[in-house]
Amino acid sequence: DVKVTQSSRYLVKRTGEKVFLECVQDMDHENMFWYRQDPGLGLRLIYFSYDVKMKEKGDIPEGYSVSREKKERFSLILESASTNQTSMYLCASSSRTGYNSPLHFGNGTRLTVT
Amino acid sequence: SQQGEEDPQALSIQEGENATMNCSYKTSINNLQWYRQNSGRGLVHLILIRSNEREKHSGRLRVTLDTSKKSSSLLITASRAADTASYFCATDARDKIIFGKGTRLHILP
Repeated sequence: DVKVTQSSRYLVKRTGEKVFLECVQDMDHENMFWYRQDPGLGLRLIYFSYDVKMKEKGDIPEGYSVSREKKERFSLILESASTNQTSMYLCASSSRTGYNSPLHFGNGTRLTVT
Repeated sequence: SQQGEEDPQALSIQEGENATMNCSYKTSINNLQWYRQNSGRGLVHLILIRSNEREKHSGRLRVTLDTSKKSSSLLITASRAADTASYFCATDARDKIIFGKGTRLHILP
């Protein structure tokens, strides 16, 4: 079974802090994604990556950056956390680009910015 | 950009009944996927249907796809308490997989 592990289930940070959310997958997947999930808004794509050192902006990249130095690890960085970034963050991976690959999700990191 | 839109937003049914959820989308797709999310957890992939398929089954799940209407439905037969969850459709939009806002399904004992 594919395992996608997010480093923290719950995280509390202060406004202005730099925050790192880590995601590791163990199935040699090429593709990795970061979504945020908010009530009434569903899942929104922040960034994704189809290869090491490669990144693409999703629908809401503002205030975020990512890093993919190794194939198995995809990090989401909040450069200066703000209260409107309080959310559930979900990492996912899949084995091929595009069309026919199910996403495998981690259990999420619930981030609170105070 | 929201590609898929589920309907209804919430659904409560008695255990043993069938549950039907619908998904409408805006642009042409290569495939459509359905996912389940239990409270506070990540999403779990349920089923994928390709654009050239009209119906697909997996256990108690039945998915239909009507590309002319840009819509899909997920039917869960003989519902159980464990089916209580949120259900999302996801469509491919260029290189991205875009999710709808989900249907919250509650199975009453």
